[in-house]
Amino acid sequence: GNSVTQMEGPVTLSEEAFLTINCTYTATGYPSLFWYVQYPGEGLQLLLKATKADDKGSNKGFEATYRKETTSFHLEKGSVQVSDSAVYFCALQQIQGAQKLVFGQGTRLTINP
Amino acid sequence: KAGVTQTPRYLIKTRGQQVTLSCSPISGHRSVSWYQQTPGQGLQFLFEYFSETQRNKGNFPGRFSGRQFSNSRSEMNVSTLELGDSALYLCASSLDANTEAFFGQGTRLTVV
Repeated sequence: GNSVTQMEGPVTLSEEAFLTINCTYTATGYPSLFWYVQYPGEGLQLLLKATKADDKGSNKGFEATYRKETTSFHLEKGSVQVSDSAVYFCALQQIQGAQKLVFGQGTRLTINP
Repeated sequence: KAGVTQTPRYLIKTRGQQVTLSCSPISGHRSVSWYQQTPGQGLQFLFEYFSETQRNKGNFPGRFSGRQFSNSRSEMNVSTLELGDSALYLCASSLDANTEAFFGQGTRLTVV
């Protein structure tokens, strides 16, 4: 079946450090890929998405590129801030015509000043 | 425009009871999906409704059910509650299947 694997957390970085959170997926066909972020006590917010191979999603300084050859969608940010501390989820949407997301286990990110 | 609203935010129930959670989607959104979030299993898809019809269902027992009304508001029901049903239940709405899903803040259910 479809699945998403994220690098295990927690991840702790200093402010202005470079961030990479790895995400790989297993799916047939061409799923759409997403990164969601969850702040404490909140629901999920869509951070960025990519719908086809080689697409690059970007938002708020975060980027991720849909790599079909490596089935990956790694999240990167060049200089993190304390306000980026949250849990990040990689997800895929496989079924066309149905709103069903398959999520990775989430990666907790803490940024220290 | 108002976001996805879930009520109640917090709920404590006793084993064996049943519970109903409510989700009001963003105005104009016709698709509502539900997810269960637990520390052990992470985020798992429960079901999706579109125009009052269940379009997709996850791998949960029949104790978990839902419905959608003509105004797109949705409810999910869990009967005969078990301790393992303690979780954050998230609702998401979207215009349709292939458009962005917007999540509510969730309902935190504790079963004691």
